Amino acid sequence: DTGVSQDPRHKITKRGQNVTFRCDPISEHNRLYWYRQTLGQGPEFLTYFQNEAQLEKSRLLSDRFSAERPKGSFSTLEIQRTEQGDSAMYLCASSLDGNSPLHFGNGTRLTVT
Amino acid sequence: GEDVEQSLFLSVREGDSSVINCTYTDSSSTYLYWYKQEPGAGLQLLTYIFSNMDMKQDQRLTVLLNKKDKHLSLRIADTQTGDSAIYFCAESFTGNQFYFGTGTSLTVIP
Repeated sequence: DTGVSQDPRHKITKRGQNVTFRCDPISEHNRLYWYRQTLGQGPEFLTYFQNEAQLEKSRLLSDRFSAERPKGSFSTLEIQRTEQGDSAMYLCASSLDGNSPLHFGNGTRLTVT
Repeated sequence: GEDVEQSLFLSVREGDSSVINCTYTDSSSTYLYWYKQEPGAGLQLLTYIFSNMDMKQDQRLTVLLNKKDKHLSLRIADTQTGDSAIYFCAESFTGNQFYFGTGTSLTVIP
């Protein structure tokens, strides 16, 4: 069990640029979640997938954000035209099914300058 | 299901017990969880309890659930300096997403 891995660990970008993050879940896990965490706060739900289907998106997820899980395995989260307010830790988690706990990766820390 | 509250800070002396508390508002949650987060890392699952249970013990960890008061607690026995971290409680609903509290920062004083 290699756990959930995220890439990159850190990303610094200039305002207005696009960024893409990748998440590789635990291999047999059907569900994959994206969360955002800012300093001093708990994780905030962004979106989740059941296999390749995106089942729910938070109203926090503006149209600049898009997530995909094309083959039901790894997922990507893209942020277009980044803003300083997008600076946060982006966490990916996976679970076996809807009744199982989440297992988190170590996150991607995004800094928008 | 989105209001999960925790106190922000807790300090204890090494060897003492720590009790971290959490209140939630939605009684239809299925499971309640405790996660630990160390600096620069993701959240590590510590333990979880099904909503029809009152208590769960796992080595140094004891989880107590009071459904009537919508109160969840995590007791860490014989707290060690390595337990210093931020602790999050979370609730989940069958087939749905998870909601997290704001976290309690535990400091263990040697």
